[in-house]
Amino acid sequence: EVRLVESGGGLVQPGGSLRLSCAASGFTFSSYWMSWVRQAPGKGLEWVANIRQDGSEKYYVDSVKGRFTLSRDNTKNSLYLQMNSLRAEDTAVYYCARTSYYDSGTDYWGQGTLVTVSS
Amino acid sequence: DIQMTQSPSTLSASVGDRVTITCRASQSIRSWLAWYQQKPGKAPKILIYKASSLESGVPSRFSGSGSGTEFTLTISSLQPDDFATYYCQQYSSYFLTFGQGTRLEIK
Repeated sequence: EVRLVESGGGLVQPGGSLRLSCAASGFTFSSYWMSWVRQAPGKGLEWVANIRQDGSEKYYVDSVKGRFTLSRDNTKNSLYLQMNSLRAEDTAVYYCARTSYYDSGTDYWGQGTLVTVSS
Repeated sequence: DIQMTQSPSTLSASVGDRVTITCRASQSIRSWLAWYQQKPGKAPKILIYKASSLESGVPSRFSGSGSGTEFTLTISSLQPDDFATYYCQQYSSYFLTFGQGTRLEIK
């Protein structure tokens, strides 16, 4: 069974930092692109970032470029999102997700972790 | 970036109705489109991928069609469990984008 379990969310002050983690199991982690998708309270889904299977390519939505860094450790089946210079508008539930380009899309999602940026 | 426009934003329907949700891409995405269902407090669940392929375990009353820039999600006979929010997503580009969502509510 595919499982994605996020952790690391919480309350942080504007300008602060937070590191999200995603533990994957039930599939060959190193064979898939991985993504973070967020959802602000009462709003729609917004893709945040993607990373290629070997970590050689990363893509970010413009609003987080230069502030967020995506990484992965295939030996630990884990995905990470380092978030710096956090703003109120980054408040959202952050979902870790598996993405299969040229196949089944973003087919598995974690349960999400809530990040709240507030003073 | 590829923009995805969904319509309508809200849809009121009754159990047993046939409903259709439309998604338009700002440029051709061939068939690289997925549809998701999301219920309050839950992660999105994939229904359809590659525009018309039904994800395993998803009821056959859900179907998808289209290619290029115009796509539809159809629910042939609404069931009580189907009242939720639906999103389209393109994965033609590494910069994924979602539609703004369609909230399906009980009339």
